[in-house]
This record gives sequence, C-alpha cells and structure tokens, in this order.
Amino acid sequence: DAKTTQPPSMDCAEGRAANLPCNHSTISGNEYVYWYRQIHSQGPQYIIHGLKNNETNEMASLIITEDRKSSTLILPHATLRDTAVYYCIVKGRADGLTFGKGTHLIIQP
Amino acid sequence: DAGVTQSPTHLIKTRGQQVTLRCSPKSGHDTVSWYQQALGQGPQFIFQYYEEEERQRGNFPDRFSGHQFPNYSSELNVNALLLGDSALYLCASSRSYEQYFGPGTRLTVT
Repeated sequence: DAKTTQPPSMDCAEGRAANLPCNHSTISGNEYVYWYRQIHSQGPQYIIHGLKNNETNEMASLIITEDRKSSTLILPHATLRDTAVYYCIVKGRADGLTFGKGTHLIIQP
Repeated sequence: DAGVTQSPTHLIKTRGQQVTLRCSPKSGHDTVSWYQQALGQGPQFIFQYYEEEERQRGNFPDRFSGHQFPNYSSELNVNALLLGDSALYLCASSRSYEQYFGPGTRLTVT
C-alpha cells in the first residue's frame, strides 16, 4: 500500500521556486522521508532525505512539518532540466524503496 | 568514480527462457537492490542483498532470484520468462542512507 500521497502533476515557470508537496500521515517514528526524481528513460536520482529536521543540499531543500505528517521539496530556481517525475518515499533506513506514482513536474520556459 | 553500472543495456528473450542481469555497485557501496519498472509505472522493489545474503524481498515470485559476490557485485536471474516480465530492470547500490541507481537493463520478452 502506498504510504505517500502526491499530486499527479505540477507546472512551474523556469527560474521560479518549485514546491512539491507530499502527505505521509502514517509515517512511523523510525521512518525517513526521501525524495528521488526520474528523468525520462533514466534511473532514479537521489535528491535529499530527512527524519524530522529541515534539510538542504546543493540540489534542494526539504521541509518536514513538526508532526511529520507532510513535507515539501523545494527546488529554489527551477530549470528546464528539472522536468521529471518526483517521488516522495517514506522508509526505514535499510529498507528497499517503495515508489508510488509521483508528481510529474513540468518546468515551463 | 564509475558509479553504478549494469549489463547488458538491452536484451531480447523468448517466453520460457531464462535471463541473467548484472550490476556493479558504486565504489565503497556494500548493498545492492534490484527494481523492476514497467512502462509508465514507478519502480517496484524486487530484493536487496547485503553481505552476500538476501536481506529483504518485495512481492515477486520465486522465479526471480539473485546473488551477491564478495566484491559486492550482483546478479538478477529470472526463470521461465513471461511476457509480463518485459520491463526496465534497475540496480541501486548504497552504503548508508541514499541509493544510487544505474541506467538499467531493458528486457523485452517476445
């Protein structure tokens, strides 16, 4: 059963921040929130993960609500190359990844 | 660093045959996971290998089996191929939190 809920698609203008939401209301205390993306015909690419604190790396920021029931992935300055399917996944540290349908993010020029 | 590599890139097999796919993990990684991605779907977890043992398995039949070697590379074997096994097979390696994926092997069963 899918543990996360994401909108099927979103549009964002190039150069603007892309904010991708994810609901995970049944997350357990030892489960992390992961984000991956997949550009057409390529293997998925790791973006970021977090447990309960907000996280930032060179690709994105991850904002997790205090109750951990939802999170938002932020791409600060979206480019056309960010067009991809984005997957939000919750899992234990050593578990395999369970991919849902993800959000198809389309960056508009 | 070569990253995760998979071979072959593409493969065509006939229904009923057997196939072996190979994966070399990213340098320093000791865990290998395999995924099946049908057209238009997200990847589905098949199994994960660590220390040459299957540590976790998804909802796949016993026709799907694997192996991990002492150098951490891995094989995925599929017996008695069905038309529905046609998919992109992805290998991912990890050492800690994040998994790094290879480009995949496109298997077509006719």
